[in-house]
Amino acid sequence: GAGVSQSPSNKVTEKGKDVELRCDPISGHTALYWYRQRLGQGLEFLIYFQGNSAPDKSGLPSDRFSAERTGESVSTLTIQRTQQEDSAVYLCASSPTTGALYGYTFGSGTRLTVV
Amino acid sequence: DAKTTQPPSMDCAEGRAANLPCNHSTISGNEYVYWYRQIHSQGPQYIIHGLKNNETNEMASLIITEDRKSSTLILPHATLRDTAVYYCIVRVSGGSYIPTFGRGTSLIVHP
Repeated sequence: GAGVSQSPSNKVTEKGKDVELRCDPISGHTALYWYRQRLGQGLEFLIYFQGNSAPDKSGLPSDRFSAERTGESVSTLTIQRTQQEDSAVYLCASSPTTGALYGYTFGSGTRLTVV
Repeated sequence: DAKTTQPPSMDCAEGRAANLPCNHSTISGNEYVYWYRQIHSQGPQYIIHGLKNNETNEMASLIITEDRKSSTLILPHATLRDTAVYYCIVRVSGGSYIPTFGRGTSLIVHP
């Protein structure tokens, strides 16, 4: 597609439920990143995929968070047993290579609200 | 990555130039200066980048000091739609990379 697509755009869930967020990167982009942004804060790195290499999971805040990506296509971020502190905007970005920051394109994010 | 320092907020009158500063005193010779902005409810958007020469594109100009320890992003004729958070990032080009976005500068353009 023309840009990075994320779905859903908004998600309200009850505390303790599992949620799955989806990211469709730009076709041909080998690198994919997930970030979390709490209200009024900067972007917090979560996880990074590069082609078929093992993902960099160093930013995942707890074992309730996991992400998958099939090849160089769609990625899903799963949060199990959601907590209120998980409420944030979850942003996905993709780039054609790991180094070209100018080619870095973000989606519009998924706004997650845990009630 | 070299650390960057930006003022938390600025304001500017519509139609005037907005000059957003960024300090990066520990920048190394192969690190570029990148600027992104984030308009409310959207993901960050690339604006411009440079190594040591001043750069200009359709969105903005980037002025980098001769010692490269600071830079200024210039929006020559700010509009209300330029109200956003502006991020200055310093990083090498190439290699494994995870960009870090701090709090940036919140620019408010007023009528």
